[in-house]
Amino acid sequence: GEDVEQSLFLSVREGDSSVINCTYTDSSSTYLYWYKQEPGAGLQLLTYIFSNMDMKQDQRLTVLLNKKDKHLSLRIADTQTGDSAIYFCAEKRSGYSTLTFGKGTMLLVSP
Amino acid sequence: GAGVSQSPSNKVTEKGKDVELRCDPISGHTALYWYRQSLGQGLEFLIYFQGNSAPDKSGLPSDRFSAERTGGSVSTLTIQRTQQEDSAVYLCASGARDKYQETQYFGPGTRLLVL
Repeated sequence: GEDVEQSLFLSVREGDSSVINCTYTDSSSTYLYWYKQEPGAGLQLLTYIFSNMDMKQDQRLTVLLNKKDKHLSLRIADTQTGDSAIYFCAEKRSGYSTLTFGKGTMLLVSP
Repeated sequence: GAGVSQSPSNKVTEKGKDVELRCDPISGHTALYWYRQSLGQGLEFLIYFQGNSAPDKSGLPSDRFSAERTGGSVSTLTIQRTQQEDSAVYLCASGARDKYQETQYFGPGTRLLVL
């Protein structure tokens, strides 16, 4: 199976909370990342979490990590239309320099 | 400051031709990565440069793909005898290390279409 899995699509209404989920398979992963890609642009780092943490909050973003289940989530509070983009989850495995990315979740925020 | 820049933004070529894609990393970043993003796919790692060390070429899909990094800065990804399946967005990232880990900063990508 895939190393990093994400649901492909999420649709929410403006002002609601969005939750994007990700599962990974390598228990040696040290850091887990969330990137945002707007149309025609490169990837922008949103946040990352170290594997010995279970939660990280940064303004409207909350990252939850369940290391036992290898499950990562990104919650966006008060979602805005400008949050519409593709969100990528990525893991960095111990001993590796490169990141392994999921296929991305397209978030569509409607007014 | 300036981010990672890539050129050209878009490239259309004919099957069998060679193409060169350029990446200008953020000044001072020692790490440089090339990824490929195909339609509906995630990012596929291609090659990684770190300082003066030998590059990690483990992600290159075939011997038609090669990359160089001159003077520890600018990098060029070359695809020889392009095939239609090479059509994708090619993303470059440069890396900076903080106390704990390295963050990758991505360029806008080069969109390659092979006809």
